[in-house]
Amino acid sequence: AQSVTQLGSHVSVSEGALVLLRCNYSSSVPPYLFWYVQYPNQGLQLLLKYTSAATLVKGINGFEAEFKKSETSFHLTKPSAHMSDAAEYFCAVSPGGSQGNLIFGKGTKLSVKP
Amino acid sequence: SAVISQKPSRDICQRGTSLTIQCQVDSQVTMMFWYRQQPGQSLTLIATANQGSEATYESGFVIDKFPISRPNLTFSTLTVSNMSPEDSSIYLCSAPLGVYQETQYFGPGTRLLVL
Repeated sequence: AQSVTQLGSHVSVSEGALVLLRCNYSSSVPPYLFWYVQYPNQGLQLLLKYTSAATLVKGINGFEAEFKKSETSFHLTKPSAHMSDAAEYFCAVSPGGSQGNLIFGKGTKLSVKP
Repeated sequence: SAVISQKPSRDICQRGTSLTIQCQVDSQVTMMFWYRQQPGQSLTLIATANQGSEATYESGFVIDKFPISRPNLTFSTLTVSNMSPEDSSIYLCSAPLGVYQETQYFGPGTRLLVL
């Protein structure tokens, strides 16, 4: 069965600092991987997705993630944090292909200090 | 861009009552999904709703508690029946959209508080 592990339920960075949110997956087949962001009192917004094309995936708002098969990782990064990046971030894997349901990690809450 | 809407956006209900949540997609999709997000938690899949067939429920979720309708390719409803305070959650629907329907998009969620 496929699963996702997000290391760190809460990450705090200073404005302008590097953002690194960790995600490791477990999958017996090539996975479809996603990062979603949830701002307070809002729904989920797709940041980026990996669907077996380029291993370095660029998303919205300056975020990117690198698929590393050898490490079974799909960590999310942003070179310089902005106050508006404060939100909850979810890594997800799709066991049924790109159109199937998603299995979510527990989420990482990102705080950005001025 | 594709849009998924949900109604109601939030509700406060009394225990023992039922609430039906509507999800509307602005394009035709074969599959729709319903998730629950309990306070401070991640999302858990409740069921998959395919048009023209019975919904498929995940372990821990049953049709009597969460009946689902899927009358056409753009619409679905989820009913939370005989509610208790433990049902207080955000309920979200999603559907695969995009040119090749390769990306899951989510509705804004329905915030339910059961007293």
